[in-house]
Amino acid sequence: DVKVTQSSRYLVKRTGEKVFLECVQDMDHENMFWYRQDPGLGLRLIYFSYDVKMKEKGDIPEGYSVSREKKERFSLILESASTNQTSMYLCASSSGQGLITDTQYFGPGTRLTVL
Amino acid sequence: DQQVKQNSPSLSVQEGRISILNCDYTNSMFDYFLWYKKYPAEGPTFLISISSIKDKNEDGRFTVFLNKSAKHLSLHIVPSQPGDSAVYFCAARGTGANSKLTFGKGITLSVRP
Repeated sequence: DVKVTQSSRYLVKRTGEKVFLECVQDMDHENMFWYRQDPGLGLRLIYFSYDVKMKEKGDIPEGYSVSREKKERFSLILESASTNQTSMYLCASSSGQGLITDTQYFGPGTRLTVL
Repeated sequence: DQQVKQNSPSLSVQEGRISILNCDYTNSMFDYFLWYKKYPAEGPTFLISISSIKDKNEDGRFTVFLNKSAKHLSLHIVPSQPGDSAVYFCAARGTGANSKLTFGKGITLSVRP
């Protein structure tokens, strides 16, 4: 079974703080993704990575950065947290072998509250 | 511009009856479609998928239908069970998009006992 873990289930931070969200997958997947989920807006892609040290912007990258130093780990960084970044953050991974049936597997999510 | 649309935000059905969840898309380059199910405080879990070369895929109580000409797909759950109550997301992927998915906003399904 694919396992995607996220470092925290719940996190409370203050405006202006630097926030790190960590994601680890154990299936040797090439691709990793960060989404945020907000009511009425669905899942929106923030950043994704096809390989170590590679990253690409998703649909809403503003205010975020990412780091992928190791294949199994993908970090999302909020340089200076703001209240509009209060959300559920979801990490996902997929094999990236170019198969049409490639499926993304999600972690349990981190509920971030910025005060 | 929203490329994957789930226009109904919620659906309520009686236990044992059929649930039909609809999804429309606008990008004709999409060639693979997936449904995910999400419980509160958990990550989405993959439910069922369909390739654009098919018009139907069935897995137990879950069937997905694809109408390419209408750019429409639907998820049928028969019979519906209270444990099916969750948010369902439709997602689509285009050719050569390297696994990047475009998600709809989700539909909240409530199955009444």
